[in-house]
This record gives sequence, C-alpha cells and structure tokens, in this order.
Amino acid sequence: ETGVTQTPRHLVMGMTNKKSLKCEQHLGHNAMYWYKQSAKKPLELMFVYNFKEQTENNSVPSRFSPECPNSSHLFLHLHTLQPEDSALYLCASSQDWGARGYGYTFGSGTRLTVV
Amino acid sequence: GDSVTQMEGPVTLSEEAFLTINCTYTATGYPSLFWYVQYPGEGLQLLLKATKADDKGSNKGFEATYRKETTSFHLEKGSVQVSDSAVYFCALRDNNNDMRFGAGTRLTVKP
Repeated sequence: ETGVTQTPRHLVMGMTNKKSLKCEQHLGHNAMYWYKQSAKKPLELMFVYNFKEQTENNSVPSRFSPECPNSSHLFLHLHTLQPEDSALYLCASSQDWGARGYGYTFGSGTRLTVV
Repeated sequence: GDSVTQMEGPVTLSEEAFLTINCTYTATGYPSLFWYVQYPGEGLQLLLKATKADDKGSNKGFEATYRKETTSFHLEKGSVQVSDSAVYFCALRDNNNDMRFGAGTRLTVKP
C-alpha cells in the first residue's frame, strides 16, 4: 500500500482510557509529523520526527505521547484526555525535515471524540 | 514569526466560473510556498508548490505564481467543477523548516 495510512479512522474514548493512534508510510520518507485539526482553528503542529529523532514538541500536553520506532511508523499514545482534545489528528511525512522544497504527504486522519 | 494569511470563506461559485483564492505571506527569508486541498472526510493533499520567486506551480488546472514583490501566492483556476468543492490551504515552509498553514478557505461549486 502506498501513501500514508492512519488507523483507526474513528475513535471514541472516555477520559480515563488509554489508546494509541498509528501512522505508517511506505514512501521512503525520513520525517514524520503529527498535526491536530480542530473546527474553526488552524492546523496545529504537535510533533516532528526526523530520522526517528524527535526534533519538535510544540508545547503539547503530556497526555499526548509520541513514539517513532523507525522512519516508517509513528504512534500517538493518548491517556486521560479532555473533551477539548476531540479533533481530527493528521499524520504526515516528507522527504526529510530539512528539505524545504518538498511538500508533505498526509494520511486521512483519525477522528477522535473524547466523551 | 513567519505566517500565511488567506482569504476568508466560504466561497460559492457556479460551475465553470473563474476562481481566485488570495494568499499572502510574511517571512524573514525565502520560504517555499504550497497549496493543499482537503476533500470532505480526508486529509490534506498537496496541490501545487513553488520554491522561488516568479515560479509558477500548476496541477489539475489550478495554478499559483510566487510573487516576492507582493508577498503573494494566489490560487487560480479558469473553470471550476463541482468536484473542486473542498477546503483549500495556503502554506509556507519557513527557515525553521516548519510547514505553516493558513486558516483554510472553503469552496463550494454549484451545478
């Protein structure tokens, strides 16, 4: 399968649950990203990984915990979330973080609802 | 910091109408500029890009020209179709390598 694949597509979780979002790419890219997309707000960059190393954490609360075991896989571990964390979580990849002439390839996202 | 401002929507057009979505940027260096499109229920897709001044990016009938003198990267299409209905995002990749997105412009094309 080509492109960026995110699972699950939809997730409903209680505030005390622990769940994980998965992202996988087979494009040979070396950088991967997590974005949060909320209604009426611009896309928010959460985390950046380049060659498996985290290069950015944009003041994201610790209830979101990323993991990047290799350049093809990225996880976002969730625990004790709040209702305001309900959003579309998008994963993206790019050639590498320093290659500014390249765009990002996005997955279809995980629609998260916290109840 | 570097940023992108795009016209507020929503934009509603009839099929075969001309489309312009304005985008201006603020940057200290020489960013690369992008347009992305998001169809309902999907992630963003790269539509076109330009990496230096006067470059024109084009794809699927859409085009945008990198104008350094006006710090703009307006998206245009000569004849829109119903299938072009989506949200369009202007973005720049700044000196820190981060992709910064505009707020998005929703386009609805009516038959």
